[in-house]
Amino acid sequence: EVQLVESGGGLVQPGGSLRLSCVASGFTFDDYAMHWVRQVPGKGLEWVSGVSWNGGSIGYVDSVEGRFTISRDDAKSSLYLQMNSLRTEDAALYYCAKDVGANWGFSAISQWGQGTLVTVSS
Amino acid sequence: DIVLTQSPDSLALSLGERATINCKSSRSIFYDSTNKNYLAWYQQKPGQPPKLLIYWASTRESGVPDRFIGSGSGTDFSLTISSLQPEDLAVYYCQQYFSPPPITFGQGTRLEI
Repeated sequence: EVQLVESGGGLVQPGGSLRLSCVASGFTFDDYAMHWVRQVPGKGLEWVSGVSWNGGSIGYVDSVEGRFTISRDDAKSSLYLQMNSLRTEDAALYYCAKDVGANWGFSAISQWGQGTLVTVSS
Repeated sequence: DIVLTQSPDSLALSLGERATINCKSSRSIFYDSTNKNYLAWYQQKPGQPPKLLIYWASTRESGVPDRFIGSGSGTDFSLTISSLQPEDLAVYYCQQYFSPPPITFGQGTRLEI
């Protein structure tokens, strides 16, 4: 059974940093692209970033480009999102998600974690 | 960026009725070389993460009941639930993966039963 467990969320002041982590199990992690998707509670879904199976291709939504960095550690079956210069509009539930395929942007997102909540407030 | 617009925003129907949710793309998401539409549908129940229902516009994910039917091509797509069950109460999202970044989602359609 595929499991994705996020951690690292919390309360941070505007301008601050946070690092989200996601530990994956139940599948061969380094065979698949991975994503971060966020959702303000009660609102819609917003794709944040994706990384290909080997880390060779990475993409971001414009609003986080230059502030967020996605990375993966296949030895630890883990996905990360380093979030710097956080803004109030970054506050959301952040989901770690597994792609159907090896390269993000060419297939759907097949499984999602339960999410970790990021609050940005002074 | 490709914008997906879903209609209606919310839908209230009775058990056993048919539900149809529409998703219109701001440009074609059909790729000639693969002969595929790069569109997926997700179901999100209250308090849960989204669940993949349909990909390539009409391919049902393993384990998804056959009352969920995806159709359409180019810029106009639909998700039909042929006979509503109590467990179908959820918000439904379409998503395109044709022209990332970014991958984009529709705004969601809330289905009430």
